[in-house]
Amino acid sequence: AQSVTQPDIHITVSEGASLELRCNYSYGATPYLFWYVQSPGQGLQLLLKYFSGDTLVQGIKGFEAEFKRSQSSFNLRKPSVHWSDAAEYFCAVVRDNYGQNFVFGPGTRLSVLP
Amino acid sequence: ETGVTQTPRHLVMGMTNKKSLKCEQHLGHNAMYWYKQSAKKPLELMFVYSLEERVENNSVPSRFSPECPNSSHLFLHLHTLQPEDSALYLCASSQDQQAYGYTFGSGTRLTVV
Repeated sequence: AQSVTQPDIHITVSEGASLELRCNYSYGATPYLFWYVQSPGQGLQLLLKYFSGDTLVQGIKGFEAEFKRSQSSFNLRKPSVHWSDAAEYFCAVVRDNYGQNFVFGPGTRLSVLP
Repeated sequence: ETGVTQTPRHLVMGMTNKKSLKCEQHLGHNAMYWYKQSAKKPLELMFVYSLEERVENNSVPSRFSPECPNSSHLFLHLHTLQPEDSALYLCASSQDQQAYGYTFGSGTRLTVV
């Protein structure tokens, strides 16, 4: 069975600092990989996704993620965090592009200090 | 606005009440989903509808009853809920049940008292 881990429950960074959120998955083959962001009281917004091709994926709001097959990881990065980035971030995997097969990680809550 | 609209945004109901959550998508998708998001738990898939037919029910208690009258609308009818059913209920839609293009609504925050 697939599983997704996000080792950091809560991360605090200063505004302008760089950010890396970790995501590891457990699956025999390469799944489809996603990062979502959820602001308080809101639904999930897609930041970026990896299906195939270049392992460095660019997303919205200045985020990027890198797929590393050898480490079964898909870490999310941003070079300079803005206060508006404070939110919950979810990594998700799908083994076969079927929506009902999404497996979501537990989420990482990001706080941004002024 | 994401193209998937959920109403109401907040709902407080007693355990003996009957209420409904509504989801509407304006994306031309033909598959719709209900998720439950509880504190400190991963997102849980509840129901999947494709072409207005229910294709998945993840062992959800019968006090939750979904309805999909057409490909643009999805309802979740609630009755005799328990306090542990308090959660954020999220609707999503996609084309042909694909994960590509999956779009979530903003959710309904449900509190059962």
